[in-house]
Amino acid sequence: EAQVTQNPRYLITVTGKKLTVTCSQNMNHEYMSWYRQDPGLGLRQIYYSMNVEVTDKGDVPEGYKVSRKEKRNFPLILESPSPNQTSLYFCASGTLGGGYNEQFFGPGTRLTVL
Amino acid sequence: GIQVEQSPPDLILQEGANSTLRCNFSDSVNNLQWFHQNPWGQLINLFYIPSGTKQNGRLSATTVATERYSLLYISSSQTTDSGVYFCAVARNNAGNMLTFGGGTRLMVKP
Repeated sequence: EAQVTQNPRYLITVTGKKLTVTCSQNMNHEYMSWYRQDPGLGLRQIYYSMNVEVTDKGDVPEGYKVSRKEKRNFPLILESPSPNQTSLYFCASGTLGGGYNEQFFGPGTRLTVL
Repeated sequence: GIQVEQSPPDLILQEGANSTLRCNFSDSVNNLQWFHQNPWGQLINLFYIPSGTKQNGRLSATTVATERYSLLYISSSQTTDSGVYFCAVARNNAGNMLTFGGGTRLMVKP
């Protein structure tokens, strides 16, 4: 089944404890990205990647890191999480070019930072 | 950046009713998608529709790119249609970044 997977789905952690949220897709997509969703602020892009070893900032990159060492994986790293990073996080993937740019979203990771 | 506005913000329907959700955007786009966010928070792809009309069962969508709007039609609504519907667009030179509208929160009552 074609899908985007994220782990963990739920995480409660404490301020300053480094964490990684994994994202993997099995559709051979070049493009991957991370979004966060907050009440009243909607969904906003954190980082994106156009291909392996190519990453760039979205609208709200502060406090996050990403890497793209393999085409299928795009982990989101919070080196020192803070309470304002409590949010619902989505990973997405899609094709690039060819006039078709549909993006597919993972199931979401609900993160609480105490 | 591009602005995306959805209307109405909230909608309550009786089961079986029809509805139309609207998405207006402020610039030309190369991607327009409609999503349904279910009560568990998952974003479900409904339509990829940068232009034209598509139908999938009780749902259909139309995008008039030249006039910068898209419509999502829900016919014979069911309680499982409840949730939030998002329109999202991307511009050619925006790294495929999707800009989301504020959503329409739909509640279908039995």
